[in-house]
Amino acid sequence: GENVEQHPSTLSVQEGDSAVIKCTYSDSASNYFPWYKQELGKRPQLIIDIRSNVGEKKDQRIAVTLNKTAKHFSLHITETQPEDSAVYFCAAHEADSWGKLQFGAGTQVVVTP
Amino acid sequence: KAGVTQTPRYLIKTRGQQVTLSCSPISGHRSVSWYQQTPGQGLQFLFEYFSETQRNKGNFPGRFSGRQFSNSRSEMNVSTLELGDSALYLCASSSRGGAKDTQYFGPGTRLTVL
Repeated sequence: GENVEQHPSTLSVQEGDSAVIKCTYSDSASNYFPWYKQELGKRPQLIIDIRSNVGEKKDQRIAVTLNKTAKHFSLHITETQPEDSAVYFCAAHEADSWGKLQFGAGTQVVVTP
Repeated sequence: KAGVTQTPRYLIKTRGQQVTLSCSPISGHRSVSWYQQTPGQGLQFLFEYFSETQRNKGNFPGRFSGRQFSNSRSEMNVSTLELGDSALYLCASSSRGGAKDTQYFGPGTRLTVL
Protein backbone atom coordinates (compact mmCIF):
# COMPACT_ATOMS: atom_id res chain seq x y z
CA GLY A 1 0.00 0.00 0.00
CA GLU A 2 0.85 3.66 -0.09
CA ASN A 3 3.40 5.14 2.31
CA VAL A 4 3.83 8.89 2.77
CA GLU A 5 6.83 10.46 4.47
CA GLN A 6 6.80 14.09 5.55
CA HIS A 7 9.66 16.39 6.51
CA PRO A 8 10.48 18.27 8.62
CA SER A 9 8.52 17.30 11.71
CA THR A 10 8.88 20.81 13.14
CA LEU A 11 9.57 24.09 11.40
CA SER A 12 10.16 27.44 13.06
CA VAL A 13 10.14 30.55 10.86
CA GLN A 14 10.22 34.30 11.35
CA GLU A 15 7.12 36.19 10.34
CA GLY A 16 7.43 37.21 6.72
CA ASP A 17 9.78 34.38 5.77
CA SER A 18 8.82 31.38 3.63
CA ALA A 19 8.10 27.86 4.83
CA VAL A 20 8.53 24.69 2.80
CA ILE A 21 7.28 21.22 3.74
CA LYS A 22 8.18 18.17 1.65
CA CYS A 23 6.45 14.83 1.25
CA THR A 24 7.36 11.69 -0.64
CA TYR A 25 5.03 8.87 -1.59
CA SER A 26 5.65 5.30 -2.63
CA ASP A 27 2.79 4.30 -4.93
CA SER A 28 3.16 5.70 -8.42
CA ALA A 29 -0.57 5.05 -8.96
CA SER A 30 -1.52 7.73 -6.41
CA ASN A 31 -3.24 10.55 -8.22
CA TYR A 32 -4.48 13.12 -5.71
CA PHE A 33 -2.48 15.00 -3.08
CA PRO A 34 -4.25 17.26 -0.57
CA TRP A 35 -2.73 19.36 2.19
CA TYR A 36 -4.56 19.91 5.46
CA LYS A 37 -3.97 22.45 8.21
CA GLN A 38 -4.94 21.55 11.76
CA GLU A 39 -4.94 24.17 14.46
CA LEU A 40 -4.85 23.07 18.08
CA GLY A 41 -8.15 21.50 19.06
CA LYS A 42 -9.66 22.00 15.62
CA ARG A 43 -10.52 19.74 12.70
CA PRO A 44 -8.13 19.31 9.76
CA GLN A 45 -9.02 21.79 7.02
CA LEU A 46 -8.06 21.50 3.38
CA ILE A 47 -5.83 24.36 2.31
CA ILE A 48 -4.79 23.26 -1.15
CA ASP A 49 -4.66 20.13 -3.28
CA ILE A 50 -3.13 18.97 -6.52
CA ARG A 51 -3.91 16.19 -8.94
CA SER A 52 -1.39 14.10 -10.81
CA ASN A 53 -1.98 15.80 -14.16
CA VAL A 54 -0.79 19.16 -12.77
CA GLY A 55 2.73 20.19 -11.76
CA GLU A 56 2.00 23.27 -9.68
CA LYS A 57 -0.93 25.07 -8.14
CA LYS A 58 -1.11 28.40 -6.30
CA ASP A 59 -3.63 30.04 -4.05
CA GLN A 60 -2.52 33.44 -2.77
CA ARG A 61 0.39 32.80 -0.36
CA ILE A 62 0.20 29.01 -0.68
CA ALA A 63 1.53 26.85 -3.48
CA VAL A 64 2.01 23.14 -4.02
CA THR A 65 4.37 21.49 -6.47
CA LEU A 66 4.29 17.87 -7.63
CA ASN A 67 7.09 15.85 -9.19
CA LYS A 68 5.56 12.56 -10.35
CA THR A 69 8.86 11.15 -11.55
CA ALA A 70 10.52 11.58 -8.18
CA LYS A 71 7.26 10.89 -6.35
CA HIS A 72 7.40 13.92 -4.14
CA PHE A 73 5.30 17.01 -3.54
CA SER A 74 5.88 20.14 -1.51
CA LEU A 75 3.91 22.88 0.20
CA HIS A 76 5.24 26.42 0.01
CA ILE A 77 3.93 29.21 2.24
CA THR A 78 5.23 32.70 1.48
CA GLU A 79 5.11 35.80 3.69
CA THR A 80 4.25 33.71 6.73
CA GLN A 81 2.01 35.17 9.42
CA PRO A 82 1.43 34.13 13.06
CA GLU A 83 -1.95 32.66 12.05
CA ASP A 84 -0.08 30.19 9.82
CA SER A 85 1.10 28.46 13.00
CA ALA A 86 -0.47 24.98 13.00
CA VAL A 87 0.22 21.35 12.12
CA TYR A 88 0.25 20.68 8.40
CA PHE A 89 -0.46 17.24 6.95
CA CYS A 90 0.19 16.04 3.46
CA ALA A 91 -1.76 13.10 2.09
CA ALA A 92 -1.96 10.86 -0.96
CA HIS A 93 -4.98 9.16 -2.47
CA GLU A 94 -4.25 5.86 -4.15
CA ALA A 95 -5.99 5.14 -7.42
CA ASP A 96 -8.97 2.83 -6.92
CA SER A 97 -8.75 3.24 -3.16
CA TRP A 98 -12.16 4.51 -2.22
CA GLY A 99 -12.21 7.21 0.42
CA LYS A 100 -8.76 6.41 1.76
CA LEU A 101 -6.17 9.10 2.29
CA GLN A 102 -2.71 8.06 3.43
CA PHE A 103 -1.35 10.85 5.62
CA GLY A 104 2.15 11.99 6.40
CA ALA A 105 3.14 12.33 10.06
CA GLY A 106 2.60 16.09 10.10
CA THR A 107 4.74 19.21 10.41
CA GLN A 108 4.39 21.57 13.36
CA VAL A 109 4.91 25.07 11.97
CA VAL A 110 5.61 27.90 14.40
CA VAL A 111 5.71 31.45 13.06
CA THR A 112 7.33 33.87 15.47
CA PRO A 113 6.57 37.61 15.22
CA LYS B 1 -24.30 24.03 3.60
CA ALA B 2 -23.73 22.79 7.10
CA GLY B 3 -20.43 21.08 7.67
CA VAL B 4 -19.70 17.60 8.87
CA THR B 5 -20.93 17.01 12.41
CA GLN B 6 -19.91 14.38 14.93
CA THR B 7 -21.46 13.33 18.21
CA PRO B 8 -20.58 13.11 20.96
CA ARG B 9 -17.59 15.44 21.06
CA TYR B 10 -16.10 13.82 24.14
CA LEU B 11 -16.39 10.37 25.67
CA ILE B 12 -14.82 8.72 28.68
CA LYS B 13 -15.06 4.95 28.91
CA THR B 14 -13.37 2.18 30.83
CA ARG B 15 -11.54 -0.83 29.47
CA GLY B 16 -13.80 -3.57 28.22
CA GLN B 17 -16.74 -1.29 27.44
CA GLN B 18 -17.97 -0.54 23.96
CA VAL B 19 -18.68 2.79 22.32
CA THR B 20 -20.64 4.13 19.35
CA LEU B 21 -19.69 7.32 17.55
CA SER B 22 -21.86 9.13 15.04
CA CYS B 23 -21.08 11.20 11.95
CA SER B 24 -23.44 13.27 9.80
CA PRO B 25 -21.94 14.17 6.43
CA ILE B 26 -22.40 17.33 4.41
CA SER B 27 -25.79 17.28 2.69
CA GLY B 28 -25.50 15.46 -0.62
CA HIS B 29 -22.28 13.66 0.28
CA ARG B 30 -22.58 9.90 0.10
CA SER B 31 -19.09 8.81 1.15
CA VAL B 32 -17.99 8.79 4.78
CA SER B 33 -14.47 7.87 5.84
CA TRP B 34 -13.27 7.37 9.40
CA TYR B 35 -9.80 8.09 10.77
CA GLN B 36 -8.10 7.59 14.10
CA GLN B 37 -5.71 10.36 15.18
CA THR B 38 -3.13 9.77 17.92
CA PRO B 39 0.11 11.59 18.75
CA GLY B 40 2.15 8.48 18.07
CA GLN B 41 0.53 7.11 14.92
CA GLY B 42 -0.87 10.26 13.34
CA LEU B 43 -3.94 10.00 11.13
CA GLN B 44 -4.80 6.43 10.24
CA PHE B 45 -7.61 5.29 7.95
CA LEU B 46 -10.21 3.02 9.55
CA PHE B 47 -12.84 2.44 6.85
CA GLU B 48 -15.03 4.08 4.24
CA TYR B 49 -18.72 3.72 3.50
CA PHE B 50 -20.69 4.61 0.40
CA SER B 51 -24.38 3.91 -0.13
CA GLU B 52 -24.50 1.79 3.02
CA THR B 53 -21.62 -0.43 1.84
CA GLN B 54 -18.12 -0.64 3.24
CA ARG B 55 -15.80 -0.22 0.28
CA ASN B 56 -12.45 0.05 1.99
CA LYS B 57 -10.94 -0.94 5.31
CA GLY B 58 -7.70 -0.06 7.08
CA ASN B 59 -5.50 -2.25 9.26
CA PHE B 60 -7.49 -2.25 12.46
CA PRO B 61 -8.74 -5.23 14.47
CA GLY B 62 -12.27 -6.52 14.11
CA ARG B 63 -13.26 -4.68 17.31
CA PHE B 64 -13.61 -1.63 15.10
CA SER B 65 -16.72 -1.72 12.94
CA GLY B 66 -19.04 0.69 11.26
CA ARG B 67 -22.16 1.14 9.26
CA GLN B 68 -23.92 3.68 7.14
CA PHE B 69 -27.59 4.48 6.95
CA SER B 70 -29.74 5.32 3.95
CA ASN B 71 -29.42 9.05 4.74
CA SER B 72 -25.60 8.69 4.58
CA ARG B 73 -25.13 9.18 8.30
CA SER B 74 -22.52 6.81 9.62
CA GLU B 75 -21.67 5.23 12.93
CA MET B 76 -18.56 3.48 14.10
CA ASN B 77 -18.40 1.07 17.00
CA VAL B 78 -15.48 -0.04 19.08
CA SER B 79 -16.03 -3.08 21.28
CA THR B 80 -13.96 -4.33 24.22
CA LEU B 81 -12.15 -1.03 24.59
CA GLU B 82 -8.44 -1.00 25.30
CA LEU B 83 -6.30 1.82 26.70
CA GLY B 84 -4.67 2.19 23.30
CA ASP B 85 -8.00 3.09 21.72
CA SER B 86 -7.81 6.52 23.35
CA ALA B 87 -7.69 8.88 20.39
CA LEU B 88 -9.44 11.54 18.39
CA TYR B 89 -11.80 9.86 15.93
CA LEU B 90 -12.44 11.92 12.85
CA CYS B 91 -14.90 11.33 10.09
CA ALA B 92 -14.71 12.95 6.67
CA SER B 93 -17.32 13.19 3.99
CA SER B 94 -17.02 13.57 0.24
CA SER B 95 -19.32 13.32 -2.73
CA ARG B 96 -18.32 9.86 -3.89
CA GLY B 97 -15.05 9.03 -2.15
CA GLY B 98 -13.04 8.96 -5.34
CA ALA B 99 -9.75 10.66 -6.07
CA LYS B 100 -11.57 13.65 -7.56
CA ASP B 101 -13.48 14.35 -4.37
CA THR B 102 -12.30 16.55 -1.54
CA GLN B 103 -12.73 15.11 1.93
CA TYR B 104 -14.15 17.47 4.54
CA PHE B 105 -13.52 16.62 8.17
CA GLY B 106 -15.80 16.79 11.16
CA PRO B 107 -14.63 18.18 14.52
CA GLY B 108 -13.93 14.71 15.87
CA THR B 109 -14.88 12.71 18.93
CA ARG B 110 -12.26 12.62 21.66
CA LEU B 111 -12.36 9.15 23.25
CA THR B 112 -10.56 8.53 26.52
CA VAL B 113 -10.32 4.96 27.78
CA LEU B 114 -9.48 4.57 31.47
